[in-house]
Amino acid sequence: GAGVSQSPSNKVTEKGKDVELRCDPISGHTALYWYRQSLGQGLEFLIYFQGNSAPDKSGLPSDRFSAERTGGSVSTLTIQRTQQEDSAVYLCASSSDMGRDEQYFGPGTRLTVT
Amino acid sequence: QQQVKQSPQSLIVQKGGISIINCAYENTAFDYFPWYQQFPGKGPALLIAIRPDVSEKKEGRFTISFNKSAKQFSLHIMDSQPGDSATYFCAACSGTYKYIFGTGTRLKVLA
Repeated sequence: GAGVSQSPSNKVTEKGKDVELRCDPISGHTALYWYRQSLGQGLEFLIYFQGNSAPDKSGLPSDRFSAERTGGSVSTLTIQRTQQEDSAVYLCASSSDMGRDEQYFGPGTRLTVT
Repeated sequence: QQQVKQSPQSLIVQKGGISIINCAYENTAFDYFPWYQQFPGKGPALLIAIRPDVSEKKEGRFTISFNKSAKQFSLHIMDSQPGDSATYFCAACSGTYKYIFGTGTRLKVLA
C-alpha cells in the first residue's frame, strides 16, 4: 500500500516568509510524528499527534512553529517568519498506534531559507 | 541523560568486510532500541530492533549486540555490500512514542 507522503519535496523561501509543509500518513495510522533533520545531525523530535490531538509539543523550537492534524489524517507543519536556521529536512512519520509500533517515515521536505 | 551517542560519524569498509556502528545511552528507562537505514533523498526505514531482555538479535546479515550493564548497543553488518552504503541511525525509546536518535553514521562500502 501507499507509504507516508510529504509535500512539497523541496521548498525554497525567503527569510521572513511563512511556509506550510504537508504530511499524508499511512491510512489507518493513528499516530503521527514530525522530526527535523539538520545537515550532519540526527533526527530532532518536534511534535507528536495521537488522532487529532497533540499531547506532546515539547520539541517545537519556538512559537513560530505550529502543527495541526485534521480528520485524524493529514497534518500540516507551519513555520512563520522563517529564519535561515530553519533550513533543514522536515520528516514526518506515522505508526499504527502510540508506543513501540514501527514508525514509517516519509521522504521529507527539504526547506531552504535564503 | 536523554542523549544517544553514536560513533563513528563515518565509516569506510571494503566489500565483504564487517561494518560496526556503536551507540551508548545514559537513561536506564530506555527499553527499545531500533536501528534505521536512510538512503539519500529518502526517509529512514527500520532495519532491525532489540529489547533489553536479549543480548543479541540477528536478521540476515544484520546483528544487534546489546550490553545492558554497559548501556551500549551496536549494529554489525556482515559481508558488507556496496548496496549497504547509507546513513545508519540508532535510536532509543522509553515505553512511549518518543524516539531519541543518534547523530548518524555514514557508511560507504567500497566495491
